[in-house]
Amino acid sequence: DIQMTQSPSSLSASVGDRVTITCQASQDINNYLNWYQHKPGKAPKLLIYDASNLETGVPSRFSGSGSGTNFTFTISSLQPEDIATYYCQQYDNLPTFTFGPGTQVDIK
Amino acid sequence: QVQLVQSGAEVKKPGSSVKVSCKASGDTFKNDAFNWVRQAPGQGLEWMGGIFPLFETPNYAQKFHGRVTITADIYTSTVYMELRSLRSEDTAVYYCARAKISHMDVWGKGTTVTVSS
Repeated sequence: DIQMTQSPSSLSASVGDRVTITCQASQDINNYLNWYQHKPGKAPKLLIYDASNLETGVPSRFSGSGSGTNFTFTISSLQPEDIATYYCQQYDNLPTFTFGPGTQVDIK
Repeated sequence: QVQLVQSGAEVKKPGSSVKVSCKASGDTFKNDAFNWVRQAPGQGLEWMGGIFPLFETPNYAQKFHGRVTITADIYTSTVYMELRSLRSEDTAVYYCARAKISHMDVWGKGTTVTVSS
């Protein structure tokens, strides 16, 4: 089974800061990676699919990059409404999926 | 616009079963896959399994094999997730999500299942 790791597990940053989260797969998954935002009491929300494609309606401050085993998710300018937990998700072996453990983002 | 409406909260005894439903609106049901994802208190998102209603063949995460059954009713555009032999660790919010092949772009609001004696 493919294992996913994320770092950091949590971070605290100031409004306007650039925030970067990394996701690593235990084996090559090409670009078969999505990123989701999850706020307490809400349904998860798709932000990035296929590693770098911005979902329709998602602000452009969110971006993703990477391929193979190493991926990066970036918020270019952190906003108060971005407080959430962010998850990467691989789909190299469709129709199965695996989520990363998540990264909790807070405002400093 | 596609919407997924899930059934209401459940409280179950250990050892019992729960069946959660997810009704899809809009022209999505036959052409997409539907997945179940859960989040236990203090834990992350966990994929449980999914189904492509057109083919009626479910797929399950290894962890839940033998304990979960996912089915679909194309006539009512409803997907079901049944989890058996419930234990306290199954207390969680259960989400259904539509998958456009590789990414889950529409989610239900979640169903809270509490397992307690």
